Amino acid sequence: DGGITQSPKYLFRKEGQNVTLSCEQNLNHDAMYWYRQDPGQGLRLIYYSQIVNDFQKGDIAEGYSVSREKKESFPLTVTSAQKNPTAFYLCASSPRQGIAFFGQGTRLTVV
Amino acid sequence: GQNIDQPTEMTATEGAIVQINCTYQTSGFNGLFWYQQHAGEAPTFLSYNVLDGLEEKGRFSSFLSRSKGYSYLLLKELQMKDSASYLCAVRGNSNSGYALNFGKGTSLLVTP
Repeated sequence: DGGITQSPKYLFRKEGQNVTLSCEQNLNHDAMYWYRQDPGQGLRLIYYSQIVNDFQKGDIAEGYSVSREKKESFPLTVTSAQKNPTAFYLCASSPRQGIAFFGQGTRLTVV
Repeated sequence: GQNIDQPTEMTATEGAIVQINCTYQTSGFNGLFWYQQHAGEAPTFLSYNVLDGLEEKGRFSSFLSRSKGYSYLLLKELQMKDSASYLCAVRGNSNSGYALNFGKGTSLLVTP
C-alpha cells in the first residue's frame, strides 16, 4: 500500500536526550514537511525539504535538525536544545504543488 | 508572513448544515486547503481551492474569494462522525517550499 509512515507512535524522552522521529513515504513525492501541534494551536512548520539533500528551516526550527539523504525518508531529530519538546509531531509529503498527505503522527513526551 | 483566522469552536445539530469561515492575509498565495482532524489523529484532506468559486465534493463544499482573502467550508447533512477539528491552510509559493500554513482549527461538535 502507498502511504506515509511515522514511527514510533508514542515516544518518551528524558531531559537532555536527543531523539529521532522517523518518516518514510513510498508515494514518490518530492516534498516532505515536519509540523508540530500543541493543544489549542494550529500546525506549525519545523522544517521542509523539496528535493534530496536539501532542506530549509520553517517557522520554529530551533532545537530541531533533519536530513534528506533519500527521497523516501525525512527523519527529524529533537535535540536537547529544544526546551519544550512535548507535542504531537506530524510529517507530510506532497508532489510539487500538490495535495499534502500526513502520516499518523508521533506523540513525544518528556519525562 | 501569513495570518489565518477561523472560529475556535462551533456547535451544530445532526442533519443540519454548518459553514466554517476562514480569513487569511498572506504575502504569497498558491491555494487554500481544508483538512479534517479527529482527536489524536492525523489531518485528512477534504478540499482544495486555487481559483475563486465553489468546489463541491459530496456533503462537503468549499468556497474561495481571493480578492477578499476569504474561504468557507460547508458541511451538509451533518452526521455525528463529523465532530472533529477543521483546519484551514494556505499554501505559500516557492519561497516557502509550497508549505502549508495552518490556522488554529475550528472544533465542531455535532449534537443529536
